[in-house]
Amino acid sequence: GQQLNQSPQSMFIQEGEDVSMNCTSSSIFNTWLWYKQDPGEGPVLLIALYKAGELTSNGRLTAQFGITRKDSFLNISASIPSDVGIYFCAGRETSGSRLTFGEGTQLTVNP
Amino acid sequence: GAVVSQHPSRVICKSGTSVKIECRSLDFQATTMFWYRQFPKQSLMLMATSNEGSKATYEQGVEKDKFLINHASLTLSTLTVTSAHPEDSSFYICSAGLGSYNEQFFGPGTRLTVL
Repeated sequence: GQQLNQSPQSMFIQEGEDVSMNCTSSSIFNTWLWYKQDPGEGPVLLIALYKAGELTSNGRLTAQFGITRKDSFLNISASIPSDVGIYFCAGRETSGSRLTFGEGTQLTVNP
Repeated sequence: GAVVSQHPSRVICKSGTSVKIECRSLDFQATTMFWYRQFPKQSLMLMATSNEGSKATYEQGVEKDKFLINHASLTLSTLTVTSAHPEDSSFYICSAGLGSYNEQFFGPGTRLTVL
């Protein structure tokens, strides 16, 4: 089955810094999603991408759907303490509605 | 909009008992709901896809007789862990599909501890 490689596994940054994380897949996806999960909670959808090359922003978050359709990145600008959490990418192949999740990026923001 | 609830949020049970977890879409109707489990410091693992009015589709390696799924209405799906054992202890999360792309909105999760 398809595999998603998400990196980095963890990041420790200072408040105010920008952050970038990415995912690559072994197969072509027609949808890329980015979620954030706080401890003990379910994931919350941040950004959804549906077209190769698409660049979408949600406040300080920006995500892009790679033109090869096998990768996506998420940027967070001017990080704040409440950005702490685990960020997951997820992708969907052309057929079916099943999502494949990356392994997550644990973000820690030091005040 | 797109609010999904789960009940209970936390449950502790004895080995051998059965536990039912409810997943509800509060402000939308969901033809498809999904059940995941998540172990500490790991990603989400899809267990099954639940379609309203039909049998659930289980992922490889997930025992359908142990994890019973019922999707009786467009706003409610239930997962019953039968004859629970300590290795079933995990964080169970449901999601509901919404919109033309059937994007998944997640519930807050249920922490199951089997003693």
